[in-house]
Amino acid sequence: KNEVEQSPQNLTAQEGEFITINCSYSVGISALHWLQQHPGGGIVSLFMLSSGKKKHGRLIATINIQEKHSSLHITASHPRDSAVYICAVNRDDKIIFGKGTRLHILP
Amino acid sequence: NAGVTQTPKFRVLKTGQSMTLLCAQDMNHEYMYWYRQDPGMGLRLIHYSVGEGTTAKGEVPDGYNVSRLKKQNFLLGLESAAPSQTSVYFCASSRQRNQPQHFGDGTRLSIL
Repeated sequence: KNEVEQSPQNLTAQEGEFITINCSYSVGISALHWLQQHPGGGIVSLFMLSSGKKKHGRLIATINIQEKHSSLHITASHPRDSAVYICAVNRDDKIIFGKGTRLHILP
Repeated sequence: NAGVTQTPKFRVLKTGQSMTLLCAQDMNHEYMYWYRQDPGMGLRLIHYSVGEGTTAKGEVPDGYNVSRLKKQNFLLGLESAAPSQTSVYFCASSRQRNQPQHFGDGTRLSIL
């Protein structure tokens, strides 16, 4: 079993829909990251959080340490949000990645 | 302000050849990482460094060596390339352990 599991693996939605991507982990962590990888391949860090909730524009990330679970929400989704969203966790000096969720927003 | 720069961006090698991938960061970050990304596998950590002169093994270190002689540079070497090392390689850096990582644009490496 992977230490970091994401769901769903693939998600297609209509423009304007509210999007939720989930991440569950099975190891002790010191921080959790959400990353975005666009079709061109570049990877951008969206959030790093160790508790609670963070918001940036239309993106919201939450984490529940007790349940070992995090969610990434996108409000008012847009075709430019189409990308692979990757969850990763800090464990000691290393980072463990989920396999990513491929999101496709239709106009 | 370039951030994290990887060279080269593309390379094709023959089995058995050697090469070095260079990662350079201009943000004075302590931590640097080398990852490989393969279809269906996600990013996997090859080696990492927590400061100048230090290196450590990650999840998939076999067949690779690294060096961090200068704080701003982290080199990844393949001594004898194998087809299984065909992948996209990403370098990243962060200020400290629990800090956001900044990624390079990736190096697409094919081993024939």
